[in-house]
Amino acid sequence: QKEVEQDPGPLSVPEGAIVSLNCTYSNSAFQYFMWYRQYSRKGPELLMYTYSSGNKEDGRFTAQVDKSSKYISLFIRDSQPSDSATYLCAMSRGNQAGTALIFGKGTTLSVSS
Amino acid sequence: DTAVSQTPKYLVTQMGNDKSIKCEQNLGHDTMYWYKQDSKKFLKIMFSYNNKELIINETVPNRFSPKSPDKAHLNLHINSLELGDSAVYFCASSLVRAGEKLFFGSGTQLSVL
Repeated sequence: QKEVEQDPGPLSVPEGAIVSLNCTYSNSAFQYFMWYRQYSRKGPELLMYTYSSGNKEDGRFTAQVDKSSKYISLFIRDSQPSDSATYLCAMSRGNQAGTALIFGKGTTLSVSS
Repeated sequence: DTAVSQTPKYLVTQMGNDKSIKCEQNLGHDTMYWYKQDSKKFLKIMFSYNNKELIINETVPNRFSPKSPDKAHLNLHINSLELGDSAVYFCASSLVRAGEKLFFGSGTQLSVL
């Protein structure tokens, strides 16, 4: 079993839809959970960051972590065509730079107007 | 002002050649990384340097050698290139105590023919 599993999609939704992106993981030592967004031919950029369990909201984006189920989610409300990108979940055991981030394979999202 | 810049953006070369990719960051970060993203978008860490000291060295062939002349620069030299080395290579940087918050460059697309 891979450490981090993420459905690659693609996921296609109409503008205004609510999008749910998910990752599961197997390593219970993970404490830091991130979502990165990657536009075509660009580097990933940090979108959301959560420590341990719970929810975090930032504008139209909500990140949820359920450590008991080893499951993390990113919700996008009122999706826009500009949200079309690949979304990568990432997690790590610590936040020191010597602790490598483990990335999921990414879910490609397309929002049509 | 580009925060993390890497050159070249595209690199097309023959098998067996040696090539280098350069990376520079102007964010004042003390830690830099090299990541490899394969054709399936899977992003995996290769190396990390903190203040010119190697702190992460994943299982990478010896043909890959990173060099950090100072904390704002991290270069990647690849000897005897192979077909399987074709990928996008991303440079990233962070603060040492915020290793989950990576800032990525826009990548170098390496094609080995």
